[in-house]
Amino acid sequence: DAKTTQPNSMESNEEEPVHLPCNHSTISGTDYIHWYRQLPSQGPEYVIHGLTSNVNNRMASLAIAEDRKSSTLILHRATLRDAAVYYCILRDDAKAAGNKLTFGGGTRVLVKP
Amino acid sequence: EPEVTQTPSHQVTQMGQEVILRCVPISNHLYFYWYRQILGQKVEFLVSFYNNEISEKSEIFDDQFSVERPDGSNFTLKIRSTKLEDSAMYFCASTSQVNTGELFFGEGSRLTVL
Repeated sequence: DAKTTQPNSMESNEEEPVHLPCNHSTISGTDYIHWYRQLPSQGPEYVIHGLTSNVNNRMASLAIAEDRKSSTLILHRATLRDAAVYYCILRDDAKAAGNKLTFGGGTRVLVKP
Repeated sequence: EPEVTQTPSHQVTQMGQEVILRCVPISNHLYFYWYRQILGQKVEFLVSFYNNEISEKSEIFDDQFSVERPDGSNFTLKIRSTKLEDSAMYFCASTSQVNTGELFFGEGSRLTVL
């Protein structure tokens, strides 16, 4: 599986935007970029995913570099509830049934009131 | 909103005992997964399951582990003879689309092996 690199941790102030970078320089043409987060004592939770174009949903925005070797998850206004570990994961669309997610260490986001 | 439910939320067992962790995936989902997370470590893939058979399994998923979907609703993970190092949070997940669909995770079952 192609590898991703994320900072270990980031801090943000409440109601300010948070930009979470992810490097994936070995991404292949069929890899989708997925973001999940894990709140304390909970299971992972889907945030957003994309292939080439920038994506927006109610939780966040995903900005994908033109060469696809990096991406940035944007939380527009961080709340205390957004404090979690955020995982950037590549998932190969070309693989057979049962394709898994491979979690790395993620970025621990601390939101200060 | 539909959700994946897991039972028990916490199980304490003695080393060498058999444990069954249960999951009820979202009803129209066809692909099922077990993951585990040892305290303070990464979320690790164990096994994926589709069409009543294992699609993929990791090195962790050895002969001590098994999965089944006995009645079309439950999806179980059995550990035949637990070891101390099996102590972890076990997460079940399901999805309706195998490649790009989001995985829905349960809240997890904490297993403590003494």
